[in-house]
Amino acid sequence: QVQLQESGPGLVKPSQTLSLTCAVSGGSITTSGGYFWTWIRQHPGKGLEWIGYIYYSGSTYYNPSLKSRVTISLDTSKNQFSLTLNSVNAADTAMYYCARVGSYWGAYDFWGQGTLVTVSS
Amino acid sequence: QSVLTQPPSVSGAPGQRVTISCTGSSSNIGAGYDVHWYQQLPGTAPKVLIYGNSNRPSGVPDRFSGSKSGTSASLAITGLQAEDEADYYCQSYDRSLSGSVFGGGTKLTVL
Repeated sequence: QVQLQESGPGLVKPSQTLSLTCAVSGGSITTSGGYFWTWIRQHPGKGLEWIGYIYYSGSTYYNPSLKSRVTISLDTSKNQFSLTLNSVNAADTAMYYCARVGSYWGAYDFWGQGTLVTVSS
Repeated sequence: QSVLTQPPSVSGAPGQRVTISCTGSSSNIGAGYDVHWYQQLPGTAPKVLIYGNSNRPSGVPDRFSGSKSGTSASLAITGLQAEDEADYYCQSYDRSLSGSVFGGGTKLTVL
């Protein structure tokens, strides 16, 4: 059974960089013919927003509305992937989830529990 | 403003049937991409309820069913139970965005 677990600071100051990590257990993130490892966020009381994903090969795909500020990367040695969001502001306050999907048109079958990030001075 | 449109809320009495619609466009649902549905209970991560328009993962009761037609999809829940009270989201792929898109979510209240 695959499990995902987010970690990172719960509080980030405006204009600084948000960095989160998703540790994956129960399977390798570089499984051949494998998966897209994804970040999704949910603003308080709102719906879900796709941030972007990274394929097991390292190819990345980002939401155009965030593309200029987002980087998603793999750390194969630790079987984890990361999210970096630059120049944050209050609008980036959200619950951040990592998740797995089997194809770019597929369903997200495994999710982390989520981590709340607040942007405030 | 979500790319996929869902009603903000629906409600029904225990035992009744409710449906939740999800309307997209020619760049997502209408382009033939699959629609998936998630249930999000308070304080928890979303859980896939229906994948590939109409398929249920193991463990999901057959009270839940999905369908797709044209640029829209629907989730139907029959025999409503109190435990079904949750937020429901649809999701698809959008070729203009080259990524996943979600509906704004529908809050189901069991009266």
